[in-house]
Amino acid sequence: KQEVTQIPAALSVPEGENLVLNCSFTDSAIYNLQWFRQDPGKGLTSLLLIQSSQREQTSGRLNASLDKSSGRSTLYIAASQPGDSATYLCAVTGANNLFFGTGTRLTVIP
Amino acid sequence: EAGVVQSPRYKIIEKKQPVAFWCNPISGHNTLYWYLQNLGQGPELLIRYENEEAVDDSQLPKDRFSAERLKGVDSTLKIQPAELGDSAVYLCASSLDGAGRAFFGQGTRLTVV
Repeated sequence: KQEVTQIPAALSVPEGENLVLNCSFTDSAIYNLQWFRQDPGKGLTSLLLIQSSQREQTSGRLNASLDKSSGRSTLYIAASQPGDSATYLCAVTGANNLFFGTGTRLTVIP
Repeated sequence: EAGVVQSPRYKIIEKKQPVAFWCNPISGHNTLYWYLQNLGQGPELLIRYENEEAVDDSQLPKDRFSAERLKGVDSTLKIQPAELGDSAVYLCASSLDGAGRAFFGQGTRLTVV
């Protein structure tokens, strides 16, 4: 069964810093990897989707990379803002299902 | 475009009572997921549908949980009887197919007292 791990579990940074969130997965046979954002008490919002054949995707201040062979992905957030404070979850789509990590809770301090 | 709609948003019930959650996926999305999310954890899959067929329900506690997706559109998740440990957020998601971007509803927060 696919296992997805996210490090760190929580992260606090001052506003304006660049930061990196990490995700690793055990089974490299994936269709794609998605990064989600979850605000307290809310559902998940899809941020970026990287197909298995791609190396990275960018959206605004967000850049996600994928190294399928090593089972790793990173989410880079540039010039962090207090509004970026949320939990970030990565999820991999395999042959059977969409598997989630436990998330990284990000706090950006004004 | 309307997103994934779930209802109710919140539900409080006494243990041993039944409860049902409803999900309306994005129009045209063939794949529908039900997830359970405990506080501070990532979502855990309960069941996945491709159209009206449940293609993976291996994580669904079938002694008390049931789900259906009639006509391959809306879906209902039921718990009967509910236990204290069922308190969690129940999330529904849909995608065009099993390999596509998944869109989530706001979730139903269940509290069993």
